[in-house]
This record gives sequence, C-alpha cells and structure tokens, in this order.
Amino acid sequence: IAGITQAPTSQILAAGRRMTLRCTQDMRHNAMYWYRQDLGLGLRLIHYSNTAGTTGKGEVPDGYSVSRANTDDFPLTLASAVPSQTSVYFCASSQQGGSPLHFGNGTRLTVT
Amino acid sequence: RKEVEQDPGPFNVPEGATVAFNCTYSNSASQSFFWYRQDCRKEPKLLMSVYSSGNEDGRFTAQLNRASQYISLLIRDSKLSDSATYLCVVILNAGKSTFGDGTTLTVKP
Repeated sequence: IAGITQAPTSQILAAGRRMTLRCTQDMRHNAMYWYRQDLGLGLRLIHYSNTAGTTGKGEVPDGYSVSRANTDDFPLTLASAVPSQTSVYFCASSQQGGSPLHFGNGTRLTVT
Repeated sequence: RKEVEQDPGPFNVPEGATVAFNCTYSNSASQSFFWYRQDCRKEPKLLMSVYSSGNEDGRFTAQLNRASQYISLLIRDSKLSDSATYLCVVILNAGKSTFGDGTTLTVKP
C-alpha cells in the first residue's frame, strides 16, 4: 500500500441496501476526510476525523456514518442507500488539520 | 454567499498564453490555502501551497491576499498538459476545509 487506498473502485447498489466504502492510509496521517463530488457542486465534506477515536460532521453528513478505530482506517457507511447518494466519493488524509490533503483514487457509487 | 467562490470558466487559451485564476473566501480567520489540479474526475492532486509572500514553482505562481481575502494562481507559458480543472481549497481549522467548485482550463494548440 502506498498513500491512500479506497475500495471498491466502483459499485452499483440497490436503494435501501447498506454499503461501506473502505479507506486505508499508510502515511500515519492524523486527519482523514470523506468527500463527495457531484457535477456542478464541487467537493463537499461529509465527515472528518482529526485523530483516531474522534469524528466530526462536515457539510453533508446526513445518511452517512464513519468510524475511526485506528489511525489507518476510516470507513464510510451508507446505512440505507438512496439514489441521491449516487456520486464519486473521495477519501483524503492530512498530517494535521491545516496541512495539505492527499486523496485516494475515489469510489464511483451508483444507487439505483 | 458561498464560503469559497471560484470562477468556473471555462478558460480556453492558446499554448504559450498566461492565464490567472482567483478564489475569494469569506472567513477572514482561514489559516491554510492550497491549489489542486483535477483531471477528468480523477482524484485532486496538490499543485502548490499558497502563502502571503507568494510562491513559485516553475511556470506556476500562487499568491495570497489576506486583506482582500483572495488567492490566485498564475500559469505562464501554458502547455497542452495544463488542461485540467483547478481547485482552490481554504482551510479554517481541522475539519473545516472548503473547496471551490473548480475552474476548467483548456489549452489549445
């Protein structure tokens, strides 16, 4: 693993299903983030974590949950997917809160 | 009003042209500023940090104006490979990082 790894790369999901997007980093960064990117709306922060054991809500947290059990992993869960959650999801990490963000390759999710 | 405003463009310029992008931000307490490049909905990649004193990396120059609350990116001698979407990001504090919607640049032969 080098940098940030996201899985899956893409997924088609039926509405109402539960889905967890995985994110793992090997840079020992303290902070991690989840963004979604939609055409015309740019990148919007869903949830973030400043350090292992803590999480916070971003701009668009509804319908999503996260956990940060350790430094490396920051999974994003959709408890009951809806079509409006169709998007490209990017995980990112940074050394600390004000440092540059490093992004994973993204997960393209389609909810039907 | 958006917290970070960025001219979406598109900017269509010939090779060799100089082009400049600006981002304005609303929160004067913002601490960190960066420019990112994004190609074809791939992941954003850090282009450069932005400081009040200005910083230059080859053909790219970034500048922060705290008094007027904007950051700028100047690209000199544009190359075809510079075609991309450029995103500014303004960080207030841990957990409060806001991206502009991006400016699309197309450099034509």
